[in-house]
Amino acid sequence: QSILTQPPSASGTPGQRVSISCSGSSHNIGSNYVYWYQQFPGTAPKLLIYRDDQRPSGVPDRISGSKSGTSASLAISGLRSEDEADYYCVTWDDSLSGRVFGGGTKLTVL
Amino acid sequence: QVQLKESGPGQVKASQTLSLTCTVSGDSIDSDDFYWSWVRQPAGGGLEWIGRVYTTGTTNYNPSLKSRVTISVDTSRNQFSLRLSSVTAADTAVYYCARDPIYCTGTRCYHDASDIWGQGTMVTVSS
Repeated sequence: QSILTQPPSASGTPGQRVSISCSGSSHNIGSNYVYWYQQFPGTAPKLLIYRDDQRPSGVPDRISGSKSGTSASLAISGLRSEDEADYYCVTWDDSLSGRVFGGGTKLTVL
Repeated sequence: QVQLKESGPGQVKASQTLSLTCTVSGDSIDSDDFYWSWVRQPAGGGLEWIGRVYTTGTTNYNPSLKSRVTISVDTSRNQFSLRLSSVTAADTAVYYCARDPIYCTGTRCYHDASDIWGQGTMVTVSS
């Protein structure tokens, strides 16, 4: 069981907006920045969102991150077939003194 | 541009020690601006943070692996390494090395999650 809780799956049709949640506690999300990764099979994770809501250069603005209290969300609007991938949230946990990942969400574009 | 590459045996026998090295190119590992991390992922599974090392040798480890893990840095070779002892089949995974930026604003510094990753290397623990 992961410290951070993500839904195992999410889906949407092309053009739709999809949101993926990440739930934690005051020891992690509630007191530290959240980051999001996208991962395709057989490849290394790619940073999508850093410090809750910042996009690295090259990440389109249809991808956004937000945080409220002990939960964070990744939103993808204008869904495309190439968005079909696994998505992970991650943050620092103060009580564990270590980085913790969510269990990952498999996004399917129908 | 900065690149990281993992190297080491693809197979380790159970109860022995897994040893991997990450070679950093395009930048100096001897920088105040980064930590250097190891993350692993079993087949079909999620990501698990193993630990990280700073240029000074300061480390942080996943509590669940702490008793078996050693991460070290060799600034002369621009490399950092992972050693995981007493391995079992549960340690079979793709192992990634990664760079973690340190972001400072005002009087506070934050340790960002990894922005650059190696391609990963598969390690199988055999009996």
